[in-house]
Amino acid sequence: GAVVSQHPSWVICKSGTSVKIECRSLDFQATTMFWYRQFPKQSLMLMATSNEGSKATYEQGVEKDKFLINHASLTLSTLTVTSAHPEDSSFYICSARDPDGQAPAEAFFGQGTRLTVV
Amino acid sequence: GQQVMQIPQYQHVQEGEDFTTYCNSSTTLSNIQWYKQRPGGHPVFLIQLVKSGEVKKQKRLTFQFGEAKKNSSLHITATQTTDVGTYFCAGSYDMRFGAGTRLTVKP
Repeated sequence: GAVVSQHPSWVICKSGTSVKIECRSLDFQATTMFWYRQFPKQSLMLMATSNEGSKATYEQGVEKDKFLINHASLTLSTLTVTSAHPEDSSFYICSARDPDGQAPAEAFFGQGTRLTVV
Repeated sequence: GQQVMQIPQYQHVQEGEDFTTYCNSSTTLSNIQWYKQRPGGHPVFLIQLVKSGEVKKQKRLTFQFGEAKKNSSLHITATQTTDVGTYFCAGSYDMRFGAGTRLTVKP
């Protein structure tokens, strides 16, 4: 199946700094990517839908100025957590579909990024 | 957007017992997808159901889509320790997941 690579897999940052997380589709072009946040033992919460070449669509309650999403190419979307605070500590994960693949509906997930803000 | 409700939240079974998780929507779904997330891992696609009343099997896993396309179930026969994880459903193509059912299996 298609591969989605997410980097870094974990990061520790100081409160007030910004952190960028990358999500790449390695063997297919993804016009749309999805960003999630997952707290321990909880479900995946969709944060935003990233659209190549246009603004991301944020879910209700997600601060777009705090969670900056850029989808500058068909294989790369980035999520930047700005002015991070300890409450932003979480597991962030991206996904994408391969519209030209054998299973267009199947979403492929990155490995996730565990962010810890100290 | 639409929301799918999933029950139960947790299920602990003895190895060899069966397991079922249910996904319900208040609106008609165009399709439903099931994913599995192992502890510490990322979600992995299991299957997509599209047709009303559809039933699909993957070895010990049986997936059903309701006649009204508002509910779905995943049934595992004779659970094994390798089945441990959280099972999520997602309705239609909006990529919003249910709360998930965490399955633990006692050897």
